[in-house]
Amino acid sequence: EAGVVQSPRYKIIEKKQPVAFWCNPISGHNTLYWYRQNLGQGPELLIRYENEEAVDDSQLPKDRFSAERLKGVDSTLKIQPAELGDSAVYLCASSSRTGNTEAFFGQGTRLTVV
Amino acid sequence: KQEVTQIPAALSVPEGENLVLNCSFTDSAIYNLQWFRQDPGKGLTSLLLIQSSQREQTSGRLNASLDKSSGRSTLYIAASQPGDSATYLCAVTNYGGATNKLIFGTGTLLAVQP
Repeated sequence: EAGVVQSPRYKIIEKKQPVAFWCNPISGHNTLYWYRQNLGQGPELLIRYENEEAVDDSQLPKDRFSAERLKGVDSTLKIQPAELGDSAVYLCASSSRTGNTEAFFGQGTRLTVV
Repeated sequence: KQEVTQIPAALSVPEGENLVLNCSFTDSAIYNLQWFRQDPGKGLTSLLLIQSSQREQTSGRLNASLDKSSGRSTLYIAASQPGDSATYLCAVTNYGGATNKLIFGTGTLLAVQP
């Protein structure tokens, strides 16, 4: 069974440009998470979906970040415009349901803003 | 607010040694605790998941324990190998409806010397 798939793996963009990340969760997993991991730190939640509904987006910088999960499967995370401080690894994870089940992560997208 | 701490931040051991990684958390109202491994430039690989009602979980040379009342977990690695070199992260999932999410520590960077 395929794991969580993310693309692209790496992205280098100039500041003020837009960028988008894509995530395909494990089949049948209703819960999808986007995390951001800064160098030397643990991942921090940006947004959590239950099916197509965003149920926790309190840490998503809504002035420049947006996300969607159409049809409750794939998800995209967008940044527009990107800032130097957005350089990080963006991780997508999924679980079969919230709370008491194991979360599985993708390989991540390493974003460098120059 | 849940805070997760991992000690030590870095650890170097010779091959063959048994070792213990520590994780502590401030709020004992958790669903579960999960240990992950992260190789450089890669995503997170789930190692062990301990439910709040469990005391320990084992997988191969790995054993994770959970003492919810004291807010502590340990990851024991037996007979360490150079291939175990990676960053090890622990994360807890709190109770609480829309706040359910993995909260991570900053990790322990493990180097096993051949």
